[in-house]
Amino acid sequence: NAGVMQNPRHLVRRRGQEARLRCSPMKGHSHVYWYRQLPEEGLKFMVYLQKENIIDESGMPKERFSAEFPKEGPSILRIQQVVRGDSAAYFCASSPAAGSYEQYFGPGTRLTVT
Amino acid sequence: GIQVEQSPPDLILQEGANSTLRCNFSDSVNNLQWFHQNPWGQLINLFYIPSGTKQNGRLSATTVATERYSLLYISSSQTTDSGVYFCAGPSGGGADGLTFGKGTHLIIQP
Repeated sequence: NAGVMQNPRHLVRRRGQEARLRCSPMKGHSHVYWYRQLPEEGLKFMVYLQKENIIDESGMPKERFSAEFPKEGPSILRIQQVVRGDSAAYFCASSPAAGSYEQYFGPGTRLTVT
Repeated sequence: GIQVEQSPPDLILQEGANSTLRCNFSDSVNNLQWFHQNPWGQLINLFYIPSGTKQNGRLSATTVATERYSLLYISSSQTTDSGVYFCAGPSGGGADGLTFGKGTHLIIQP
């Protein structure tokens, strides 16, 4: 049973470019969560999605960041017009249902903005 | 939202030693997880333990939900146990995202 998959594992973007991060949840999981790990702030929740729905985006920056989880295909975290402060590790997690269920984490995507 | 505090922040031990890591949370939780972030940055699920005790090899964890804390025990430490250990609980208010503590940075010296 494959775990949570994320790609790319490493992504380098110049300031002003767009970054697209992909996450495929574990088989049988329909709930996806995105987290960001900044050196000074630790791991922070960003957004929680189910298929075709954003359930909770309370941790998402108000501008330039968006997320989707289409009916088919992986979840996408999109960052437009990246800035140096977006450099971080972005982790995706999945769970089989909402509520009190274990979240399983992917290996992360390390974004570097030059 | 919930506050998660971990102690100690840093711990340096010799190979073979035992250790206890603590996680305090500010409110009752129905979901408590422990993770190990290895030196390569990967987050490894260790335990899902909203209450009670679980064991997996040299690692075990206990959560006392009524007193709002959880403990992670590592016995006979090995150098591969080095890294950062995080606990995380639900953010609260109906939200399903996890709130993480700042972690315990563990170094096991040979």
